[in-house]
Amino acid sequence: KQEVTQIPAALSVPEGENLVLNCSFTDSAIYNLQWFRQDPGKGLTSLLLIQSSQREQTSGRLNASLDKSSGRSTLYIAASQPGDSATYLCAVHSGGSNYKLTFGKGTLLTVNP
Amino acid sequence: EAQVTQNPRYLITVTGKKLTVTCSQNMNHEYMSWYRQDPGLGLRQIYYSMNVEVTDKGDVPEGYKVSRKEKRNFPLILESPSPNQTSLYFCASSLGQGPSPLHFGNGTRLTVT
Repeated sequence: KQEVTQIPAALSVPEGENLVLNCSFTDSAIYNLQWFRQDPGKGLTSLLLIQSSQREQTSGRLNASLDKSSGRSTLYIAASQPGDSATYLCAVHSGGSNYKLTFGKGTLLTVNP
Repeated sequence: EAQVTQNPRYLITVTGKKLTVTCSQNMNHEYMSWYRQDPGLGLRQIYYSMNVEVTDKGDVPEGYKVSRKEKRNFPLILESPSPNQTSLYFCASSLGQGPSPLHFGNGTRLTVT
């Protein structure tokens, strides 16, 4: 059974700092991995999707990497801003035609002005 | 605007009183899914549907029913709600073919007393 772990559970940084969020998964036979952002009281917003054949994806100040063999993904946020404060979740699609996602419990990021 | 719409946003009910949470998407997505989010447990999949009339159990299906009679709608039915079903529920959809990001609704906070 796929298990997804995110470390740290919470992170507080000053504005402008570059930071890395970590995601690890136990079964490397994945189809793709997604990073999401969740604001309080809101749904999840998809940030980046990395296919199993890719090593990284970039969108603006965000860069996500994937190392399938070691079961790890990182989300790099450059020049963090207070508006980046949210919970970040990673989710793994564990292969096959049935679209089953396993989520990590998330990292609560606070960017202080 | 492309979106996933859930109703209601908030619902308080009593044990045993049947209820339905509606979910509708306007993106012609084939895949739809229901999740519940609980503190310390993260997001867990309840049911998912790959297409009209095709549904399957997720990780925590007990006490829930779903139906997919039309492509755009995927209601979640609680025939006899119990207090342990108090949770934040999310509906999500995606194209379902190949790597496609998951789009979430804004959530339904359900309290069963």
